[in-house]
Amino acid sequence: EVQLVESGGGLVQPGGSLRLSCAASGFTFSSYTMSWVRQALGKGLEWISFISSSGDDIYYTDSVKGRFTISRDNAKNSLYLQMNSLRDEDTAVYYCASGIPGVNPFDYWGQGTLVTVSS
Amino acid sequence: EVILTQSPATLSLSPGERATLSCRASQSISNYLAWYQQKPGQAPRLLIYDTSNRATGIPARFSGSGSGTDFTLTISSLEPEDFAVYYCHQRTNWPLTFGGGTKVEIK
Repeated sequence: EVQLVESGGGLVQPGGSLRLSCAASGFTFSSYTMSWVRQALGKGLEWISFISSSGDDIYYTDSVKGRFTISRDNAKNSLYLQMNSLRDEDTAVYYCASGIPGVNPFDYWGQGTLVTVSS
Repeated sequence: EVILTQSPATLSLSPGERATLSCRASQSISNYLAWYQQKPGQAPRLLIYDTSNRATGIPARFSGSGSGTDFTLTISSLEPEDFAVYYCHQRTNWPLTFGGGTKVEIK
């Protein structure tokens, strides 16, 4: 059974940093692409970052470029999101999602971790 | 950026009725359109990918169609568990984008 479990969310002040993790199990992690998608309370879905199965290809949405860094450790079956210079508008539930290369990037989703940016 | 516009914003229907949800893209996205279902407090779940392919375990009452800029998700006969929010998503161009969602509610 595919499982994606996010962790690392919490309350942080504007300008602060946070590192999210996503632990994967039940599939060959190194063969799948991974992404982060967020959802502000009561709002829609927003894709924020993608990393290829090897880690060679990385993309970000404009609003997080230069502030967020996606990475993965295939030996540890883990995905990460380093978030710096956090803003109020980054407050959201952050989901990790896995996908088959060349097919859909969001086949399976974790349950999400809440990030609250507030003073 | 490809803008996806979903309509209607809310669909009020009774169990057993047919639901037709629309997703329109601001430019052609070939057939790289997916649909997700999200229930309150839960993560989204993939229903349909590449316009018309049902994901693993998705019932046959869910079907997708369309091409280019106009796409449709049809639920042939609503079950009680189908009342939820539905999002479309395109993977043709970066950034990956989602539509604003359609809420299917019980009438």
